[in-house]
Amino acid sequence: GQNIDQPTEMTATEGAIVQINCTYQTSGFNGLFWYQQHAGEAPTFLSYNVLDGLEEKGRFSSFLSRSKGYSYLLLKELQMKDSASYLCAVRGLLNQGGKLIFGQGTELSVKP
Amino acid sequence: DGGITQSPKYLFRKEGQNVTLSCEQNLNHDAMYWYRQDPGQGLRLIYYSQIVNDFQKGDIAEGYSVSREKKESFPLTVTSAQKNPTAFYLCASTDFGTGSGNTIYFGEGSWLTVV
Repeated sequence: GQNIDQPTEMTATEGAIVQINCTYQTSGFNGLFWYQQHAGEAPTFLSYNVLDGLEEKGRFSSFLSRSKGYSYLLLKELQMKDSASYLCAVRGLLNQGGKLIFGQGTELSVKP
Repeated sequence: DGGITQSPKYLFRKEGQNVTLSCEQNLNHDAMYWYRQDPGQGLRLIYYSQIVNDFQKGDIAEGYSVSREKKESFPLTVTSAQKNPTAFYLCASTDFGTGSGNTIYFGEGSWLTVV
């Protein structure tokens, strides 16, 4: 089966750096995704990792360690508009149906 | 432009009534998914389909049904057996190929309310 854990909520200050962790257990792995979601809206894509290491994209970076079942999303130079829910998702293997499971989401509040 | 279209955006259901949410994609994606989201919660998987005429139950399939007669379409029916259907429903698709396989595309979502 698959299981994903993220902290429920975090608070950070404008201009600072915040790291949101995600741990997962899965019987087959075919990629980990990070999404941002504002209340009442569809999630928007932030990053994708399928190999170990760090992927950087502007103010956002995502790290993956497959052996540890661990990922984090790093947000730099926080802005007020970054206040949102951040979702970690793991995709299973194609030959196992390609199941795509999301964590409960981490509600990030950015304070002035 | 390519994308996923969900309809309707808002839907009201009476007790004992079945309702169907539409999901259409023109991205030529093989895999499609339906999720339910309750306030303050994450996305929970209802059903998913990897190929036409085949679909699998997710974690909360009871009270829901789907079909996948065409690659582009994956409608979700919320049946009267679903006792607490009020929620935000999201449809998604992805491609397991190396091209766009690193992104999951979402529809805009459908709000279902029981009246």
